[in-house]
Amino acid sequence: GAGVSQSPSNKVTEKGKDVELRCDPISGHTALYWYRQSLGQGLEFLIYFQGNSAPDKSGLPSDRFSAERTGGSVSTLTIQRTQQEDSAVYLCASSLQAGDYEQYFGPGTRLTVT
Amino acid sequence: SQQGEEDPQALSIQEGENATMNCSYKTSINNLQWYRQNSGRGLVHLILIRSNEREKHSGRLRVTLDTSKKSSSLLITASRAADTASYFCATDGSSNTGKLIFGQGTTLQVKP
Repeated sequence: GAGVSQSPSNKVTEKGKDVELRCDPISGHTALYWYRQSLGQGLEFLIYFQGNSAPDKSGLPSDRFSAERTGGSVSTLTIQRTQQEDSAVYLCASSLQAGDYEQYFGPGTRLTVT
Repeated sequence: SQQGEEDPQALSIQEGENATMNCSYKTSINNLQWYRQNSGRGLVHLILIRSNEREKHSGRLRVTLDTSKKSSSLLITASRAADTASYFCATDGSSNTGKLIFGQGTTLQVKP
């Protein structure tokens, strides 16, 4: 079946612009996670959604970052007023439920802020 | 912040040899997972081992967990060139939310 998909695969943007990154999880998975991978920081948790509960935003690095998940499915990560330090690969993952379940990752979006 | 350390940071072996990677973590956990990453993009789940388990196998992979030492190891037996990748351990930090905290990873190169 279809795995987790992300779009775009690559995004180059100018400093100060806003960007939106999209994630389509596996159908039926109630939990959705966003991570960021950068050279300096490794793999970092950003935010997760479980069903209709309020998202856990504890990993978001600043208030320029936000995410939503519509209808319990597709998620969008928005970065406002991008900075060069936002350059990274943004990875989305989904799992059957939050907790003791394996996570399935998408291919990621490589964001470059110039 | 990173949960723990992975050792070694890089490993180069010949095809057919075994590869062992170690992971240490800092907090109590519900489970520990190992992932593989090719070419710096999506991660592929390998094995999940729960805190009450000591060893788990999947094909050529064997994972051990020692909660008293807060450490885990991943053994790949009879390695192949296709096993060349980065390997990461990740824990949930006992939150049971699935919020994974990743190690720094081990880069494995298997030479044909």
